[in-house]
Amino acid sequence: ETGVTQTPRHLVMGMTNKKSLKCEQHLGHNAMYWYKQSAKKPLELMFVYNFKEQTENNSVPSRFSPECPNSSHLFLHLHTLQPEDSALYLCASSHEPPGQSNTEAFFGQGTRLTVV
Amino acid sequence: AQKVTQAQTEISVVEKEDVTLDCVYETRDTTYYLFWYKQPPSGELVFLIRRNSFDEQNEISGRYSWNFQKSTSSFNFTITASQVVDSAVYFCALRASNTGKLIFGQGTTLQVKP
Repeated sequence: ETGVTQTPRHLVMGMTNKKSLKCEQHLGHNAMYWYKQSAKKPLELMFVYNFKEQTENNSVPSRFSPECPNSSHLFLHLHTLQPEDSALYLCASSHEPPGQSNTEAFFGQGTRLTVV
Repeated sequence: AQKVTQAQTEISVVEKEDVTLDCVYETRDTTYYLFWYKQPPSGELVFLIRRNSFDEQNEISGRYSWNFQKSTSSFNFTITASQVVDSAVYFCALRASNTGKLIFGQGTTLQVKP
């Protein structure tokens, strides 16, 4: 069982719907990430949280709204999405000691999102 | 700017063949980290290896080996005696020392046929 769990695994939503993706990590990590994986494109970093604080927003449209209530949970709230937002959304976590960034990230299995 | 290039989009081999996946990176940082991840059909990215920029020793782990060459900015991955279970998408990634951001290549889809 992976240490990073994402729910749901699959989601189909209309463009007017509001839904949320959930990520939970059981590894004691302090940093969590959202990545988007579209067909024929590299993985794109969307957001980074470190100790519950957002440290990076990679120019993501406001229709994606992240929330990190604690170091173990990360949400991605979705509203008024477009068909081009259909993709695999991957959550990851890592242990980030202050002043170091050499640790690997551990990924969940992703949520396959389809916007219709 | 930082960039990772995996020029091979898809590779198909027959079981027991050796296969090398290429990775070329660009960075202006003197300290950085390189990674390889495997993405099986189930979706999650599985960590395979991390290499620091100041450690150019090649590494072997079972059937897997990695060749890191700073002079050519390459971090290639070789699978010896490939197996059907090796079929997956493989990603090379780069991380600067002062950021948590992983820059991924576009991935190489490896198909190993029986």
